[in-house]
Amino acid sequence: DQQVKQNSPSLSVQEGRISILNCDYTNSMFDYFLWYKKYPAEGPTFLISISSIKDKNEDGRFTVFLNKSAKHLSLHIVPSQPGDSAVYFCAATAGGTSYGKLTFGQGTILTVHP
Amino acid sequence: NAGVTQTPKFQVLKTGQSMTLQCAQDMNHNSMYWYRQDPGMGLRLIYYSASEGTTDKGEVPNGYNVSRLNKREFSLRLESAAPSQTSVYFCASQGGNQPQHFGDGTRLSIL
Repeated sequence: DQQVKQNSPSLSVQEGRISILNCDYTNSMFDYFLWYKKYPAEGPTFLISISSIKDKNEDGRFTVFLNKSAKHLSLHIVPSQPGDSAVYFCAATAGGTSYGKLTFGQGTILTVHP
Repeated sequence: NAGVTQTPKFQVLKTGQSMTLQCAQDMNHNSMYWYRQDPGMGLRLIYYSASEGTTDKGEVPNGYNVSRLNKREFSLRLESAAPSQTSVYFCASQGGNQPQHFGDGTRLSIL
């Protein structure tokens, strides 16, 4: 039972354009969501997060949107840069601001072309 | 650099052999985690330790044991390796309400 799903295995975008990565979840108990970025042969690194009490969180070029009624979140990268090429994982957790026991999606490979 | 250190980086085992994956963090974090990453499945939690002296099962604990040796170290043991345990293993640590911080992984192949 995949509680967090990233239905697009890959996404290709031109440099300077917007990248939109999507994530759906099924568990209504999830109330904190995170995006991690992963380069080959490295561990995931934290990118941005959002609490269920918000519907948007922004950090520089990265914005995460949360639609609780649809159980859907998205990560927007504007403008996209070649260095953004990586695998992006969304993750969710229950229990307020606890980051423990993360449930991850399958990941989306983002390729940004110069 | 401060962070999470995993050893070894690569290992090949034969079916039935045993192995311990080591993880150490120098950020004084209370919580530590072990995940495995398989193609098309993202990362799945194997075991976690909310604090020194405690361990709990995650989503896929079968075939594994863990030891929280002290606050810094959290090891994962495969007693009798099986080909289904071929994977990339990630250790993570977490302090307070900060995001989990991951090591660079151990790539394990079981023949």
